[in-house]
Amino acid sequence: ETGVTQSPTHLIKTRGQQVTLRCSSQSGHNTVSWYQQALGQGPQFIFQYYREEENGRGNFPPRFSGLQFPNYSSELNVNALELDDSALYLCASSPASVQETQYFGPGTRLLVL
Amino acid sequence: GQQLNQSPQSMFIQEGEDVSMNCTSSSIFNTWLWYKQDPGEGPVLLIALYKAGELTSNGRLTAQFGITRKDSFLNISASIPSDVGIYFCAGRSGGSNYKLTFGKGTLLTVNP
Repeated sequence: ETGVTQSPTHLIKTRGQQVTLRCSSQSGHNTVSWYQQALGQGPQFIFQYYREEENGRGNFPPRFSGLQFPNYSSELNVNALELDDSALYLCASSPASVQETQYFGPGTRLLVL
Repeated sequence: GQQLNQSPQSMFIQEGEDVSMNCTSSSIFNTWLWYKQDPGEGPVLLIALYKAGELTSNGRLTAQFGITRKDSFLNISASIPSDVGIYFCAGRSGGSNYKLTFGKGTLLTVNP
């Protein structure tokens, strides 16, 4: 059984560009959550997807959007990148039976110049 | 919004010592989780707590869900060098989604 995987591992973009980050959830997990972790901080909730629908959103602007696919994998899209978007982006998946328990991937490190 | 206060911010201890860290919240949580994060990695789940008053162990780790549902602590006994890392508490307050609110972390350094 593989864990949560994310791609790419690192990414460098310039201000104003758009980025897509990808996440494959753990087998049997139907809920995916995305978090942003700035340096020296705890992860901040961006949004969550359950059965391909958005199921809650944190305090992030609409230029942060996402998708979940039938196989429960997910994408995070960020438009009009700003310098402050530089962070570690974490994906977490949860099993259908215990959705409070979230298992994190290794993250994608995004640097916006 | 909800905030989690995690303390201490950092700890420097000798190998073999016991460690305690805690989290308090301004509001009630239904679930408390403790994670450990190594540099360049995602957080790894250590212990999950689902009921007020619950005390759960995982090897040398013990965590408790406070009776008031507004706090939790994590103890590590007989620390070893591989315990080094950042420990985060996280809570879920209920509702239709499973959003976790995280503390700012406790950086643990263990001197061999």
